Amino acid sequence: EVQVVESGGALVQPGRSLRLSCRGSGFTFGDFAMSWVRQAPGKGLEWVGFIRSKVYGATTEYAASVKGRFSISRDDSKSIAYLQMTSLKTEDTAVYYCTRHVSPYYDILTGYYEEEYYFDYWGQGTLVTVSS
Amino acid sequence: IQLTQSPSFLSASVGDRVTITCRASQAISSYLAWYQQKPGKAPKLLIYSASTLQSGVPSRFSGSGSGTEFTLTISSLQPADFATYYCQQINNYTPITFGQGTRLEIK
Repeated sequence: EVQVVESGGALVQPGRSLRLSCRGSGFTFGDFAMSWVRQAPGKGLEWVGFIRSKVYGATTEYAASVKGRFSISRDDSKSIAYLQMTSLKTEDTAVYYCTRHVSPYYDILTGYYEEEYYFDYWGQGTLVTVSS
Repeated sequence: IQLTQSPSFLSASVGDRVTITCRASQAISSYLAWYQQKPGKAPKLLIYSASTLQSGVPSRFSGSGSGTEFTLTISSLQPADFATYYCQQINNYTPITFGQGTRLEIK
């Protein structure tokens, strides 16, 4: 059974740092891109960033609201992805979800497998509260 | 790319046919997904590539559209379908964006 489990959420003061972890099981973690998506209390979904699989260079992309403050990394040997958050602001308060991207697909036009950016498995979420 | 869902709130009865619309601020081909979220739970992927039903999702859910206008249709509402629905675009995956959500409630 595919599972994605986040951990590390906490109450932190503005300006401090926090690292979230996301452990995957039931699938070959290294074959999949992973994203973080957050949801502020009573609000909608906001994509935070993703890390591609190593086949695609394990490159990362971020939302403008977190670029330069947040970074995503992965340790495929442990099946874990990390979200390192620095210079936290009160507006970063949210439930943070880790998500698995849908499997890469074969593009007959390019002759390559291409990454997908839809999210087929989500964790239960971990709450980050930024407050003094 | 901004996504605008309509309506933002919808009240309907069990058995009703319901349609939710998602409009993109620029053409996104068919790079659109729909998610369902129930209170206190993580979102669930229903449809991707505008019209492909995710494995295990009931066939009463369907998606259509391309370019800038997309729809999610539930053919006959069931009690389990009352939730909030979000569209997501990946055409320009930096950034990936979501619509603001449509809350579907029981009339």
